[in-house]
Amino acid sequence: GAGVSQSPSNKVTEKGKDVELRCDPISGHTALYWYRQRLGQGLEFLIYFQGNSAPDKSGLPSDRFSAERTGESVSTLTIQRTQQEDSAVYLCASALSLTGWHEQYFGPGTRLTVT
Amino acid sequence: GESVGLHLPTLSVQEGDNSIINCAYSNSASDYFIWYKQESGKGPQFIIDIRSNMDKRQGQRVTVLLNKTVKHLSLQIAATQPGDSAVYFCAENIPLNTGFQKLVFGTGTRLLVSP
Repeated sequence: GAGVSQSPSNKVTEKGKDVELRCDPISGHTALYWYRQRLGQGLEFLIYFQGNSAPDKSGLPSDRFSAERTGESVSTLTIQRTQQEDSAVYLCASALSLTGWHEQYFGPGTRLTVT
Repeated sequence: GESVGLHLPTLSVQEGDNSIINCAYSNSASDYFIWYKQESGKGPQFIIDIRSNMDKRQGQRVTVLLNKTVKHLSLQIAATQPGDSAVYFCAENIPLNTGFQKLVFGTGTRLLVSP
C-alpha cells in the first residue's frame, strides 16, 4: 500500500513568510509524528498526535510553530514568520498506534530553505 | 527536543568488514528499541527491533544487542557493503503514564563504506 507522503518535497521561502507543510500518513495509522532534521544532524522531535487525544507539543521550538491534524488523517505543520535557522528537512512519520510496540514509518521529508 | 542537535559521529570501514554501531539510551523504563537507516535524501527506514526482554536479535546480515545494565544498544552489520553507507539511528520506546508510548531517537552515526 501507499506509504507516508509529504508535500511539498522542497520549499524555498523568504525570511518572515509563513509556510505550511503537509503530511499524509498511512491509512489506519492513528499516531503521527513531526521531526526536524538539520543538515548533518539527528532527528529533533517536534510534536505527535494520537487519535483525538491532545497532541504532545513539548518539542515545538517556539510559538511560531504549530501543527494540526484532521481526525486520523492529514496533518499540517505551520511555521510563521520563518527564520533562517528554520532551514531543515521536516520529516513526518506515522505508526499504527501509540499503545504497544509499533515502528514508525517515515515520509521522504520536506526540505525547507529560508533565504 | 530530546534528540541532541550535534554533528554526527562517523564510522569508516572497508567493504567486507563487520561494522558495529553503538547507542546509549537514557530511560530505564524503555521497553522496545528500533534501529533505523537513513540514506541521503530519504526518510529513515526500519532495519530491526528488539524488545527489552531479549538481549540479542538477528536479521539478515544485522544483529542487535541490548545491554540493559548499562543502557547500551548496538547494531552489528556483517560483511558491510557500499550500499550500507547511510546514517543509522537507534530509537527507544518509552511508556508514558497516560498509557501511550513515545519513541525517542538517538543522535545517529554516519557509516561510510569504502570499496
